[in-house]
Amino acid sequence: GQNIDQPTEMTATEGAIVQINCTYQTSGFNGLFWYQQHAGEAPTFLSYNVLDGLEEKGRFSSFLSRSKGYSYLLLKELQMKDSASYLCAVTDSNYQLIWGAGTKLIIKP
Amino acid sequence: TAGITQAPTSQILAAGRSMTLRCTQDMRHNAMYWYRQDLGLGLRLIHYSNTAGTTGKGEVPDGYSVSRANTDDFPLTLASAVPSQTSVYFCASSDPAGDHNEQFFGPGTRLTVL
Repeated sequence: GQNIDQPTEMTATEGAIVQINCTYQTSGFNGLFWYQQHAGEAPTFLSYNVLDGLEEKGRFSSFLSRSKGYSYLLLKELQMKDSASYLCAVTDSNYQLIWGAGTKLIIKP
Repeated sequence: TAGITQAPTSQILAAGRSMTLRCTQDMRHNAMYWYRQDLGLGLRLIHYSNTAGTTGKGEVPDGYSVSRANTDDFPLTLASAVPSQTSVYFCASSDPAGDHNEQFFGPGTRLTVL
C-alpha cells in the first residue's frame, strides 16, 4: 500500500528553527509537495521537490532524498503566524497526489 | 481574482437527504478534485476530473457523484447522506501543463450529517 508518515504534532519556540520530517512509500514517485494549512482554512502550496537536494524559499526550505523516501521541511526564524499544520504529499506513478495526515506545529513565545 | 470558490460554507443535513456542494474556479485549470478531510487523517480524494467532460473515482468515491459539464464548475452530490459523511470538503484545481501541477484549494465546506 501507499503510505506517508509525518509526526502528528511538534512544538517550537518563536525565533528558533524546526524541521518537520516526512517519509513515504508510494508506487512510483513524480514529485513531493509541502502545503501549509492554518486552522479552519484551506491548504496553501509551500514547496515542490522532484530532484534530490535542498530547495530554499525565504525562511522555508525543503529537502528530498528519493533513495531514502524522505523529505523534510525546515522553517527558520519562527514566527507566531507559522503555527499551522504542514502537509506532505507525494505524486505517485499515476500522477495522483497521496497525502500525509499532517504535522500540527505549535509555536510558543 | 476569486480563484476557487465553494458553497455553502457550512451545512447541517438530515440523514437520507441529498445535497450538492458547489465548486467554481476562474483560473481555467483543466484538472479539478474533491477531497474530504477528517481529523487525524490526510486529505482523501473522492473524485477528480482531468478535463471538462471526464471524471474519475478517487480513494473514497462511494456515496458521492460528480459532473464536469464545463471547465469552471465541478459540483459534488451526496444522493442520500449518512452520518459518516460528516467532514470538511475541499475542492481543488490544478494546471497539469504548469511547472509543478500544484493544487489550489477552495475555502472548504463544513458538512454535518445528523
